[in-house]
Amino acid sequence: QQQVKQSPQSLIVQKGGISIINCAYENTAFDYFPWYQQFPGKGPALLIAIRPDVSEKKEGRFTISFNKSAKQFSLHIMDSQPGDSATYFCAASTASKLTFGTGTRLQVTL
Amino acid sequence: DSGVTQTPKHLITATGQRVTLRCSPRSGDLSVYWYQQSLDQGLQFLIQYYNGEERAKGNILERFSAQQFPDLHSELNLSSLELGDSALYFCASSAQAADGAQHFGDGTRLSIL
Repeated sequence: QQQVKQSPQSLIVQKGGISIINCAYENTAFDYFPWYQQFPGKGPALLIAIRPDVSEKKEGRFTISFNKSAKQFSLHIMDSQPGDSATYFCAASTASKLTFGTGTRLQVTL
Repeated sequence: DSGVTQTPKHLITATGQRVTLRCSPRSGDLSVYWYQQSLDQGLQFLIQYYNGEERAKGNILERFSAQQFPDLHSELNLSSLELGDSALYFCASSAQAADGAQHFGDGTRLSIL
């Protein structure tokens, strides 16, 4: 049973545009929601994270929006750059176990 | 660089064999996690150790086992290997026992022939 649903599966955005990736979860016990960025041949790298008592968190060009009542959260990448081209995973955690979404392959074109 | 070191980077072996994957956590981190990444199952949590003790278990097969040593490095042992065990195996570490902020190594790619 997939507990974290992620969409879209792939995304193509022009340089300078906004990339938006969405996730939805079912388990209300989740208490930590990180986003990971993965480049080919590398492990997932922690990008930004949020706890459910906050509705938005911004770090540089990356913003997480969190809607607790809808059990949804999203990653916005502002001013997307070719170097942002990677696979992005949302995740949700209870205690220490991370449950990952299926990933979004982002391609930022020139 | 996450500070988490995994060896070897690549491993090729045959069905029925046994392999050991090694992980050194970031300096100061007491928790080690193992994950499996495959095309059909995505990233799946296998098991967590905290300061030498098993802390949490996920979708880990009985053929798989892990341990964490006094110097905090960890090993994942995979035995009676099957073709379906071919995957990327990641180790992650964190400072605390219940910590979602986990830092991943670059993985070991296991290929079963």
